[in-house]
Amino acid sequence: DSGVTQTPKHLITATGQRVTLRCSPRSGDLSVYWYQQSLDQGLQFLIQYYNGEERAKGNILERFSAQQFPDLHSELNLSSLELGDSALYFCASSAHSGLNTEAFFGQGTRLTVV
Amino acid sequence: GNSVTQMEGPVTLSEEAFLTINCTYTATGYPSLFWYVQYPGEGLQLLLKATKADDKGSNKGFEATYRKETTSFHLEKGSVQVSDSAVYFCALSVKGTYKYIFGTGTRLKVLA
Repeated sequence: DSGVTQTPKHLITATGQRVTLRCSPRSGDLSVYWYQQSLDQGLQFLIQYYNGEERAKGNILERFSAQQFPDLHSELNLSSLELGDSALYFCASSAHSGLNTEAFFGQGTRLTVV
Repeated sequence: GNSVTQMEGPVTLSEEAFLTINCTYTATGYPSLFWYVQYPGEGLQLLLKATKADDKGSNKGFEATYRKETTSFHLEKGSVQVSDSAVYFCALSVKGTYKYIFGTGTRLKVLA
């Protein structure tokens, strides 16, 4: 158990809908990262927060947004969903931001858009 | 920019065979290097890491040495087991970039 909790584990929704994925980082970790894993594109970095502030943004679509709350949990919001958004979404956390520490990953949320 | 290149898979080996998975990197600064493993249906787990040149990371019989001169961090194991079957990801993190960059992953299948 990595200590990173993601909910829900599975999500099936229709095109055009909006969903929210939730992540609770390891106790004490201030950094949260979101990644998208699809079969043909590997692990793609979406966005990173450190202690509530956005620090880095990757290939995140405008239809997607995220935030980190004062209790350090994070949510990833996906809207106007398309079939191509079907993927595994991982959250990871680390103690620091960009230093020599490893990231710990949650089990992921498998999103299926039908 | 920063990037990681891994050897293409899948890699299929017999039990007790020697394993090498190649990983090379490009980085603008001095990266920390990681190997993660993903078992079917699970998230990524840290396997080992190295934070400076010539460091050797090791765990569960796996080893990788941070080679700055060849910008490489190859993963090795002397004798693989069926339970090592998984996808292995090489990754780097550069101070100040606030993210981890992953290779495309290498699927390993070990046959009994």
